[in-house]
Amino acid sequence: GAVVSQHPSRVICKSGTSVKIECRSLDFQATTMFWYRQFPKQSLMLMATSNEGSKATYEQGVEKDKFLINHASLTLSTLTVTSAHPEDSSFYICSAHRSGLSYEQYFGPGTRLTVT
Amino acid sequence: EDQVTQSPEALRLQEGESSSLNCSYTVSGLRGLFWYRQDPGKGPEFLFTLYSAGEEKEKERLKATLTKKESFLHITAPKPEDSATYLCAVKDFNKFYFGSGTKLNVKP
Repeated sequence: GAVVSQHPSRVICKSGTSVKIECRSLDFQATTMFWYRQFPKQSLMLMATSNEGSKATYEQGVEKDKFLINHASLTLSTLTVTSAHPEDSSFYICSAHRSGLSYEQYFGPGTRLTVT
Repeated sequence: EDQVTQSPEALRLQEGESSSLNCSYTVSGLRGLFWYRQDPGKGPEFLFTLYSAGEEKEKERLKATLTKKESFLHITAPKPEDSATYLCAVKDFNKFYFGSGTKLNVKP
């Protein structure tokens, strides 16, 4: 159990367009989901914490108007990169925390975004 | 200040050569220490959770241990397929903190 999917796995878009990335917990309910960004050969950088039914909490330095997060249900969170620019090109990974007492995060396979 | 420090940054082993990866942390009120494996271009794969000093967990060739200040991931007789980046994370009352990882390369 504890499978998290992301869609799409890769996306190429033109500068100025918006891109939506979906994160789904397939076999468990996730009250909390996390969105990370990872640069080559670097560790994960937390962008925001997404709680079902409430507004996301963004980390310092992350523009909430640029990275829109919606946690619409206990199994789905979306990240929309608005007016994307080449510097937004990165590997975006979501994770889900299974509701309950444990604190493990289960990660999706990631989405490679390239903005041309 | 860094909450989680992993060492070494990179480790090259011969197949069958056992070794250990280190994760030291400075958070107070530890709620859990987590080990993940990440292959290139993929999301991290959950390996272990440790909650209290003295706890140990094993999975195949991997064994994770925890003290009050650090955790070790012991790899016994590694195989080339164990090559990956191993990430350590800790959780305090509020947040998760990830280390920068140890990139392990096991040569046949």
